[in-house]
Amino acid sequence: AQKVTQAQTEISVVEKEDVTLDCVYETRDTTYYLFWYKQPPSGELVFLIRRNSFDEQNEISGRYSWNFQKSTSSFNFTITASQVVDSAVYFCALSENNAGNMLTFGGGTRLMVKP
Amino acid sequence: DVKVTQSSRYLVKRTGEKVFLECVQDMDHENMFWYRQDPGLGLRLIYFSYDVKMKEKGDIPEGYSVSREKKERFSLILESASTNQTSMYLCASISGTGGWSGANVLTFGAGSRLTVL
Repeated sequence: AQKVTQAQTEISVVEKEDVTLDCVYETRDTTYYLFWYKQPPSGELVFLIRRNSFDEQNEISGRYSWNFQKSTSSFNFTITASQVVDSAVYFCALSENNAGNMLTFGGGTRLMVKP
Repeated sequence: DVKVTQSSRYLVKRTGEKVFLECVQDMDHENMFWYRQDPGLGLRLIYFSYDVKMKEKGDIPEGYSVSREKKERFSLILESASTNQTSMYLCASISGTGGWSGANVLTFGAGSRLTVL
């Protein structure tokens, strides 16, 4: 069965610090998809990125970057030069192939960025 | 933009009451989902539906039922609310024909925070 672990339940940083959110997953499928979602205080989950298991290229989008390593079953998320607006709960999620758009979520990491 | 609307942001109910949580999406999506969010546990799937009148159990269906009479609306029902159902409930939808390709992403509503006293 699939599983997603986000070991960091809460992280606190000062603005402009870099921060990495860890995500480790378990699956028996060779084809699967990994996701990151952001949940700001408003409550609505916001999609950040999707990666399939055949694409191990790292991705950068502005201050956000993602490091996907199949060898360690990890899909870590780094925010560079953090800002107060980055304060949110971040979820990593996994969907196995043929799972019909069902996501298995990690427990979430609450990031607090202080001014 | 796809909009997923959950009718109630905050509800307070008493033990034993019947509770309806409504979710409406405006993009003609086939697939709809109800998740429950609890601190440290992330989101857990309660029920999902791939079409009108269809429903499938997720990981934690006990104590819940659902209804999908129209394509745009997916309702979560707590037949007899209990205190351990105090939680945040999130609805989501996605096109059923796109898999995980291209712009097809799971879109969530803002959530319904239910307190059962």
